[in-house]
Amino acid sequence: EAQVTQNPRYLITVTGKKLTVTCSQNMNHEYMSWYRQDPGLGLRQIYYSMNVEVTDKGDVPEGYKVSRKEKRNFPLILESPSPNQTSLYFCASSFRTSGRGNEQFFGPGTRLTVL
Amino acid sequence: AQSVAQPEDQVNVAEGNPLTVKCTYSVSGNPYLFWYVQYPNRGLQFLLKYITGDNLVKGSYGFEAEFNKSQTSFHLKKPSALVSDSALYFCAVTLNNAGNMLTFGGGTRLMVKP
Repeated sequence: EAQVTQNPRYLITVTGKKLTVTCSQNMNHEYMSWYRQDPGLGLRQIYYSMNVEVTDKGDVPEGYKVSRKEKRNFPLILESPSPNQTSLYFCASSFRTSGRGNEQFFGPGTRLTVL
Repeated sequence: AQSVAQPEDQVNVAEGNPLTVKCTYSVSGNPYLFWYVQYPNRGLQFLLKYITGDNLVKGSYGFEAEFNKSQTSFHLKKPSALVSDSALYFCAVTLNNAGNMLTFGGGTRLMVKP
């Protein structure tokens, strides 16, 4: 089954304790992205990757890191989480073929609480 | 910079009645427009998209959307609402012709009452 998986689905942690949220897709998509969803703000892009070893900042990158060492995986790293990073996080992937408006496929989400 | 506005936080409609969820956008170029739906405790699912051509786009679950360039709008519509349509709906825009780097609106919660 074609899907985007994220782990963990729920995480409660404390300020300053490094964490990683994993994201994996099995559709051979070139493009992957991380979003955070906050009430009334919709989804805001944190980082994205056009392909392996190619990453770039989105609209709200502060406090986050990413890496893209393999095509299928795109982990999100919070080196020193703070309470303002409490949010619902989504990973998404899509093809990069131009002119087709490729729809993005979303993972199930990771609800993060930073105390 | 591109932006999307969904002016209604919530839309209430009775089952069987037509529904409209509004979306306006702002971009400096030709937009690619999308609607996504989010059911409780789920990720976003693609509903439909406008790339070019016919201004009326048909998508999943009987939904459709009309692209109006002069009004910079892309409203989502359905002729007859179902209770199961109750969900959170997001409009998104991009200038990237591969469909990447989306900017999302704030979302509209659709409540369909029996």
